[in-house]
Formats: sequence, structure tokens, C-alpha cells
Amino acid sequence: TQLLEQSPQFLSIQEGENLTVYCNSSSVFSSLQWYRQEPGEGPVLLVTVVTGGEVKKLKRLTFQFGDARKDSSLHITAAQPGDTGLYLCAGPSYSGAGSYQLTFGKGTKLSVIP
Amino acid sequence: DTEVTQTPKHLVMGMTNKKSLKCEQHMGHRAMYWYKQKAKKPPELMFVYSYEKLSINESVPSRFSPECPNSSLLNLHLHALQPEDSALYLCASSQDDSYVGYEQYFGPGTRLTVT
Repeated sequence: TQLLEQSPQFLSIQEGENLTVYCNSSSVFSSLQWYRQEPGEGPVLLVTVVTGGEVKKLKRLTFQFGDARKDSSLHITAAQPGDTGLYLCAGPSYSGAGSYQLTFGKGTKLSVIP
Repeated sequence: DTEVTQTPKHLVMGMTNKKSLKCEQHMGHRAMYWYKQKAKKPPELMFVYSYEKLSINESVPSRFSPECPNSSLLNLHLHALQPEDSALYLCASSQDDSYVGYEQYFGPGTRLTVT
């Protein structure tokens, strides 16, 4: 079973600060996805990283996939209250008969205080 | 368009009721999923349909009954639920459930409360 561990579990910061959250595994993943989820809503796909060492930017969000494809990070520059939410990393795990399903990390709950 | 829709948004039901949750996507995706999510926890997979056939049932109690009438629709029929079944129920879809097509798009969820 491939597991994903996210850290920190909770993060509370002031508006304007920078932060990094991490997603780590002892297993190699072919790719990793990052989602943001607001309370009572479904997760929204932010990005998929596929190539080891890849860096993707989405406005103030920077996503990196480790060279060995076992870890990923999400860096937010100048956090805003709108960044508040649960950040989930997920990766495809083989479930048999040619099928894959997503394995989720436990998430990082981010609160950005105005 | 990466939209997955779910109805209803909220549902309150008694333990003797029968109700259904509905999910729809028009992205041409051939894999659809039901997840259950408790507060502050990641989504927990319940069922996977691939090309309209049930491919994964994660040992879900029989009081939850999925149905995939066609490639765009996914239902979850609920009967004789327990209060601990109260949760956010999420539907998702992906191109398919293969190595290439696994990227999933989620609906907004149905908040279910069992009284």
C-alpha cells in the first residue's frame, strides 16, 4: 500500500506571510496531484505534477515534485485569506486488474488570518 | 468544462427513510467514484464504476447501493442509514481508471445528516 504523509497537519499564519506544506512517501508515485478544499465543498484540483524535479506555478502557488518522485511541496507566497482551506495531496495507486485509484494524504489545514 | 454536479446539496433523513444522491458529468469521463468524507479527514473511497460497471466496492455496508444508469450519471441509493453515516458525500469522475486517465474531478458534495 502506498501512503502519503502531509505536514504540517495544521498551519495558522498572518496574511502576507509565506508558507510551505509537504507531501512525502516512501514509495515512488508516477505523479501527484494537489487539491484545495473549502469547508462543505468538494476538493478542487490545483495541479498535477508528473516529471521528477518538475516545478509548476499557479499565481502565488509553486508546486514541486521531488527528483525521485517520492515527495512534493506546495509553497504559497504572500498568503491571503482566500488561501484558507484544506490542502490535499493525492497520487494514483494500483488497485488491480489494470485499475488505479487515488491515495490521499491526510491534508494540511491552512488558516490565513487577515 | 471540468464540472461535476451533485444533488441535493443538503439532505436530512431519518433512519427509516430511503433517499438517493445524484451525480452527473458531461466531460465524457468513463470512470466515476463515490467518496465519503468526515470532518477534517481526507475523502474515503466507497465505490468505483468503470465503463458503467462496478469495479471497486470498498466493503461498504449494503445500506449504500450505487447505480450507474449511463456513462454520465451516478446514483447512490440510501436506506436504513445510521447516524454515523452522516458525512459529506463526494462524487468524482476521471477520464478512466487507467494509468493515464486517473486525474479526478470532484463535485461540490452532498452534506448528509441522518437523524
